[in-house]
Amino acid sequence: EAGVTQFPSHSVIEKGQTVTLRCDPISGHDNLYWYRRVMGKEIKFLLHFVKESKQDESGMPNNRFLAERTGGTYSTLKVQPAELEDSGVYFCASSHQRGTTDTQYFGPGTRLTVL
Amino acid sequence: GNSVTQMEGPVTLSEEAFLTINCTYTATGYPSLFWYVQYPGEGLQLLLKATKADDKGSNKGFEATYRKETTSFHLEKGSVQVSDSAVYFCALKHNQGGKLIFGQGTELSVKP
Repeated sequence: EAGVTQFPSHSVIEKGQTVTLRCDPISGHDNLYWYRRVMGKEIKFLLHFVKESKQDESGMPNNRFLAERTGGTYSTLKVQPAELEDSGVYFCASSHQRGTTDTQYFGPGTRLTVL
Repeated sequence: GNSVTQMEGPVTLSEEAFLTINCTYTATGYPSLFWYVQYPGEGLQLLLKATKADDKGSNKGFEATYRKETTSFHLEKGSVQVSDSAVYFCALKHNQGGKLIFGQGTELSVKP
């Protein structure tokens, strides 16, 4: 079974540009999560999809970030326009079912550098 | 609110030394607790978990016990190897909602 995949693995852009990150969850997983780790600090939650619906987007930092999951399969996270403080590692995770015991499986992350 | 606090790193040990990485949490209700590990150049992997008080999670020689009375989930290993060098993250997941709340991570370096 393929794991969670993310593309690209690295992205270097200039301030003001647009970047789109992609996440392909494990097949059959309804839950998809985005997290971010900035500057070696804690990993912070961004948002949670259940199928194509946004269940919780309380962690999205501002309206420069737009996440979509059309059709309930893969998801994209667009940053437009990018700012210096957006640099960090963006992780995607997926899980099979809700509740306290479901396990979230993480992708390798996308390292975003904004210059 | 819910939060997780880990001991600061980096932690440097010699091979075969005993490892403890402290983790304490603040949460309402009865969260599930997790340890994730990130090896160099790789993504996060679930190392172990515990879903209720007094449960012990274990994997690859690592153990952690869910202690509700001390709100702790300390990670231990009796004899570390060079291959254990990684960043370790403690996390909780509340019974309401699906998001994980992470500590800041502890970098472990094991020297031969």
